[in-house]
Amino acid sequence: GAGVSQTPSNKVTEKGKYVELRCDPISGHTALYWYRQSLGQGPEFLIYFQGTGAADDSGLPNDRFFAVRPEGSVSTLKIQRTERGDSAVYLCASSTRVAGGYNEQFFGPGTRLTVL
Amino acid sequence: KQEVTQIPAALSVPEGENLVLNCSFTDSAIYNLQWFRQDPGKGLTSLLLIQSSQREQTSGRLNASLDKSSGRSTLYIAASQPGDSATYLCAPRSYGQNFVFGPGTRLSVLP
Repeated sequence: GAGVSQTPSNKVTEKGKYVELRCDPISGHTALYWYRQSLGQGPEFLIYFQGTGAADDSGLPNDRFFAVRPEGSVSTLKIQRTERGDSAVYLCASSTRVAGGYNEQFFGPGTRLTVL
Repeated sequence: KQEVTQIPAALSVPEGENLVLNCSFTDSAIYNLQWFRQDPGKGLTSLLLIQSSQREQTSGRLNASLDKSSGRSTLYIAASQPGDSATYLCAPRSYGQNFVFGPGTRLSVLP
């Protein structure tokens, strides 16, 4: 597709369950980012991939959160033992990389996660 | 650690007005700064990207300026329209770090 896609658009789960959120970046974009956004706030950085490797995972709140990008394209954000506080919109973005830095980020529509 | 504030938090104006949204950041050693708009329940749409070597960028009725030394960026919207109603977010990117977002300015343009 032309833009960043995310699935599912909505996910409702029960406390303690495991969830996976998927991001399909723009073709050719080597950089991929995950953010979390709570109501009324700006997105909060979680993790950044350059290619297949996590270049910066400093934003992951704890070890229940994990993300992979095995082939350098699609990424999956995995949340174990979900808690009600994990409820938020999870956003994915991608960009190309230029010498010394990065181009603009393009965002997907997000996945709204609700933990009951 | 980069901290970003945006003023005002909310703004309501009649159609046709020119307006300025402000973004301040604490770490002036930024690589670039990006402005986004977000419609309710939607993802972010990129508006403008300003590199650290640039003073401003323009796209249609939008003009963004950057003053790195003072840690400020402004987004100017000319001749506002009801379709401009959205939340506007700024996000500077520091060297060696990722984008840090401000809380946004919620804009309402009244017909």
